[in-house]
Amino acid sequence: GAGVSQTPSNKVTEKGKYVELRCDPISGHTALYWYRQSLGQGPEFLIYFQGTGAADDSGLPNDRFFAVRPEGSVSTLKIQRTERGDSAVYLCASSLYQLSNYGYTFGSGTRLTVV
Amino acid sequence: AQTVTQSQPEMSVQEAETVTLSCTYDTSENNYYLFWYKQPPSRQMILVIRQEAYKQQNATENRFSVNFQKAAKSFSLKISDSQLGDTAMYFCAFMKLTGNQFYFGTGTSLTVIP
Repeated sequence: GAGVSQTPSNKVTEKGKYVELRCDPISGHTALYWYRQSLGQGPEFLIYFQGTGAADDSGLPNDRFFAVRPEGSVSTLKIQRTERGDSAVYLCASSLYQLSNYGYTFGSGTRLTVV
Repeated sequence: AQTVTQSQPEMSVQEAETVTLSCTYDTSENNYYLFWYKQPPSRQMILVIRQEAYKQQNATENRFSVNFQKAAKSFSLKISDSQLGDTAMYFCAFMKLTGNQFYFGTGTSLTVIP
């Protein structure tokens, strides 16, 4: 596609529920990144994929968070047993090359609200 | 660990005037990249300007320029001839030379007043 697409744009869920957030990167981009942006903060790194594999998942806050990219294109961020503290905007970005330092394109994010 | 500090939560500027946004950072790396990103209400992060730490010359992109002071670990953004479309959150960010993640500051909300 022309840009990085994230769905849904907004998601409201009840505490304790499971949610999935989807990211569709630019076609041909091998690297994909997830960030979390809490209210009043800058984005914080969660996980980086190179192809199908998670090359760096050091930013995932705990084992309730998991992400996959089975075919090296679309990625899904999965959050189990959601908590109110998980409320944030989840941003996805993709780039053409691994370790690319300027060719990132960000999506418009998914705003997750846990009530 | 890398940290990025933006000490101005909010700023405003008259249309057509010039404004400077401040950013300081802390790192033990000698070579790295610095960025300014703009985030409008659409939430998409848009690259404004990029600076390589090994280059002494300050980066410039049209109305946007930086003042990079490596010894002071300072990286300010100057916006000249401010336009209404410049109204947005601005984030300063750091990346290691061989890194794969950004370290962002907390942002500065800029309002351009007509």
